[in-house]
Amino acid sequence: KAGVTQTPRYLIKTRGQQVTLSCSPISGHRSVSWYQQTPGQGLQFLFEYFSETQRNKGNFPGRFSGRQFSNSRSEMNVSTLELGDSALYLCASSLLGLAGGLGTGELFFGEGSRLTVL
Amino acid sequence: GNSVTQMEGPVTLSEEAFLTINCTYTATGYPSLFWYVQYPGEGLQLLLKATKADDKGSNKGFEATYRKETTSFHLEKGSVQVSDSAVYFCALSLQGAQKLVFGQGTRLTINP
Repeated sequence: KAGVTQTPRYLIKTRGQQVTLSCSPISGHRSVSWYQQTPGQGLQFLFEYFSETQRNKGNFPGRFSGRQFSNSRSEMNVSTLELGDSALYLCASSLLGLAGGLGTGELFFGEGSRLTVL
Repeated sequence: GNSVTQMEGPVTLSEEAFLTINCTYTATGYPSLFWYVQYPGEGLQLLLKATKADDKGSNKGFEATYRKETTSFHLEKGSVQVSDSAVYFCALSLQGAQKLVFGQGTRLTINP
């Protein structure tokens, strides 16, 4: 079956603009998570959605937001872009999330959207 | 806070060498532990996992044992191949948190 699909794969923006990234999870998966990957900070958790509800949020400013639709597809938005927002944004899906909080679920990652802010 | 520390890379080995990538963690509670691998140009893939102390995860010749007494989850492989060249991430998750906390990653290069 198809994997996690992220669009666009690459994009370039300038400071002050906003960007919307899209993620289509594996069919049947109801949980979608977003992570930011940078050389300096590594992989950092942004937020997780399940059945259109945000269940957890990382330590990012309010400029970073997300949502999930009834078909489980998710979008994240970054407003008023800063140079430091340049990163690879990874989306991951799973059937139920990190199942019941016991951490036994597997996350399936997309290839990411690489954002460059000039 | 909760954190994961991996040995710094990059690591370069010859084919058929023995591999160890160290991973230690700090957590409030009893985490589940994971190793993810990222091949060039691809997203992360789960390599193996362990959900409780003394569990051993294994996959594709890689192994890691959940050691609660040393708060460690070191990744090992007896004989590496060129195709194992990738970035390896150690990670933990805590009950109810619905998120992974990752280490910094270790870039592994295997030379033929």
